[in-house]
Amino acid sequence: EPEVTQTPSHQVTQMGQEVILRCVPISNHLYFYWYRQILGQKVEFLVSFYNNEISEKSEIFDDQFSVERPDGSNFTLKIRSTKLEDSAMYFCASSGTGGMNTEAFFGQGTRLTVV
Amino acid sequence: SQQGEEDPQALSIQEGENATMNCSYKTSINNLQWYRQNSGRGLVHLILIRSNEREKHSGRLRVTLDTSKKSSSLLITASRAADTASYFCATSTNTGFQKLVFGTGTRLLVSP
Repeated sequence: EPEVTQTPSHQVTQMGQEVILRCVPISNHLYFYWYRQILGQKVEFLVSFYNNEISEKSEIFDDQFSVERPDGSNFTLKIRSTKLEDSAMYFCASSGTGGMNTEAFFGQGTRLTVV
Repeated sequence: SQQGEEDPQALSIQEGENATMNCSYKTSINNLQWYRQNSGRGLVHLILIRSNEREKHSGRLRVTLDTSKKSSSLLITASRAADTASYFCATSTNTGFQKLVFGTGTRLLVSP
């Protein structure tokens, strides 16, 4: 069964360093998303991406964050200068259409720890 | 105000029993989705119910939606130890591409 894959599963980084989280969405999907979940809290929407541009972003997704689809398969989230509060589980998701009634499929997540 | 609040926050039952989790939300929605998350793992999509649907079944899962009360319930029948996980509802509202707003989740523990 097709699935969204994320790498790495766990990343530890020093505060102020840049990190890139990688995702391979389901191959025929067109819409891509990043969400995050701080330990013990809700899953929060960060950004959606379609047709090589951001379609929507939350207030969390400030200038420190960027997304890119560098080739036909990968979708990346970059955090330019990590802060302690960026420590969270980051989930990539994809859907076949951005339509109102389609399922979003999530990857297993990357646990980011900023020290 | 918060979109998506599940109750109970935690539920502990024996194998074979049914588990019911509820979700309330505040704004109008296009659909509501339920996800399962095993401890520290990814989100597994369980079921999507559209705003014009009232009930949906998938295997041992039954989801209801009452848009007049802005609430949904997830029933897991004949629960198994493997059903132990956190369950989240997520709503998709009238704007945006699949911008899902997640609830706080219910932690379900099924004991053998």
